[in-house]
Amino acid sequence: QQQVKQSPQSLIVQKGGISIINCAYENTAFDYFPWYQQFPGKGPALLIAIRPDVSEKKEGRFTISFNKSAKQFSLHIMDSQPGDSATYFCAASPWAGGTSYGKLTFGQGTILTVHP
Amino acid sequence: DGGITQSPKYLFRKEGQNVTLSCEQNLNHDAMYWYRQDPGQGLRLIYYSQIVNDFQKGDIAEGYSVSREKKESFPLTVTSAQKNPTAFYLCASHPHGARETQYFGPGTRLLVL
Repeated sequence: QQQVKQSPQSLIVQKGGISIINCAYENTAFDYFPWYQQFPGKGPALLIAIRPDVSEKKEGRFTISFNKSAKQFSLHIMDSQPGDSATYFCAASPWAGGTSYGKLTFGQGTILTVHP
Repeated sequence: DGGITQSPKYLFRKEGQNVTLSCEQNLNHDAMYWYRQDPGQGLRLIYYSQIVNDFQKGDIAEGYSVSREKKESFPLTVTSAQKNPTAFYLCASHPHGARETQYFGPGTRLLVL
């Protein structure tokens, strides 16, 4: 019940195309859904995050779509660029009470390659 | 990478040897975490600490140990009991009571000789 399943494992798109990465979860206690971007040999960095009180959040070319009833969320990268080539992780955490979130559970990661 | 530093960047371990990975943060964060990253498996939680002098096991704690004697430091020891230690190790921190996510260090790659 703690798993977050991410797909696809790898994705190749052309420059200017749309990259879509999907995640699904089972634990209804999850209350916070961040996406991380990781370049080779580096630590992950927060890209964008959403809470279940909204169905979509957009920041520049990056959009999270959230479907609470289906327990699914996805990352859309519009106008994909070669510099977006990286590994992307979705994650989820429950509300731990008070003002704190609980531990993050990560998806398996998607290796995105954007061809020029 | 923010204010989280990990050292060394690369570490080599011999059979039967314990090695310690360093993680330091100057963000004044209360909570700190250690993850292990293997290809195709995402990030798996080894240990975490929400306050000084206290820590809890994560999902894959066997063969690892930690200490949290200072707020800014959370070293991870990979013991000889960890039979498959080759991986990329990531340290993260998180401010207590903040509605925001974890911040990661640059990682340490551990290789077995």
